[in-house]
Amino acid sequence: KQEVTQIPAALSVPEGENLVLNCSFTDSAIYNLQWFRQDPGKGLTSLLLIQSSQREQTSGRLNASLDKSSGRSTLYIAASQPGDSATYLCAAPANQAGTALIFGKGTTLSVSS
Amino acid sequence: DVKVTQSSRYLVKRTGEKVFLECVQDMDHENMFWYRQDPGLGLRLIYFSYDVKMKEKGDIPEGYSVSREKKERFSLILESASTNQTSMYLCASTKPFRANYGYTFGSGTRLTVV
Repeated sequence: KQEVTQIPAALSVPEGENLVLNCSFTDSAIYNLQWFRQDPGKGLTSLLLIQSSQREQTSGRLNASLDKSSGRSTLYIAASQPGDSATYLCAAPANQAGTALIFGKGTTLSVSS
Repeated sequence: DVKVTQSSRYLVKRTGEKVFLECVQDMDHENMFWYRQDPGLGLRLIYFSYDVKMKEKGDIPEGYSVSREKKERFSLILESASTNQTSMYLCASTKPFRANYGYTFGSGTRLTVV
C-alpha cells in the first residue's frame, strides 16, 4: 500500500533563504505526484503537478523534482518570503489503477522577516 | 478557474444528528472525493466516486455514507453524528485516471459535533 512521508515536519527559516522540502513514497509505479499548500484553517491549493515522464516542474520561485527510481520528490523554494509560511503537502496516487491520492502529513514552514 | 465549492465553512451539530456536507464542482470532473483532516493523522480518504451513482470506500468509511445523483455534486452523510467525527472535511475533484490531471480541493468544512 502506498505510503507517503515528509521530512521535516516543521521548518523555520529567515526571509531570503532557499529551502528544500522532502517527500518520499513507497510505491514508485506512480503516474504523477502533486504538491499542495495549505494555510491554517483553509483548504488545499495545488502548487505543482509532476507527471511520471517529467523530472522537474517549475512555477515562479517553486521547483519540484521527481525521482521515481528512488521514490523521492523535492520542493525547492527560492528566496523565501514570510508569505510562504504555510503547510506544504505532497501526495501520490494510491496505485496505478486508482486516482485516490495518498498524502504525507506535511511540512509546516515558517519564514521570519 | 476550476471551482470546488463546499456549502458550509463551519458547522456545529449535536450528537446523534444526521449531517449532510455538500460539495459542488463546476468543471465536469468525473472523480470526486471526501477526505477528513485531523492533527497528527493528516488527510484520510473517506469515500470517492468515479461516476454518477458510483462510490468506493476509502480508508475510513465507517459512520459515513455518500450520494452522487448528479455529476457535479457529491454529498457526504454522517448518519448519526458522534464527537469523534469532529474534524475538517475536504472535498476534491479531478478528471479520470487516464487524463493524468491534478486534484482541485474545496475550502473545507470545519465540523464540530457536541
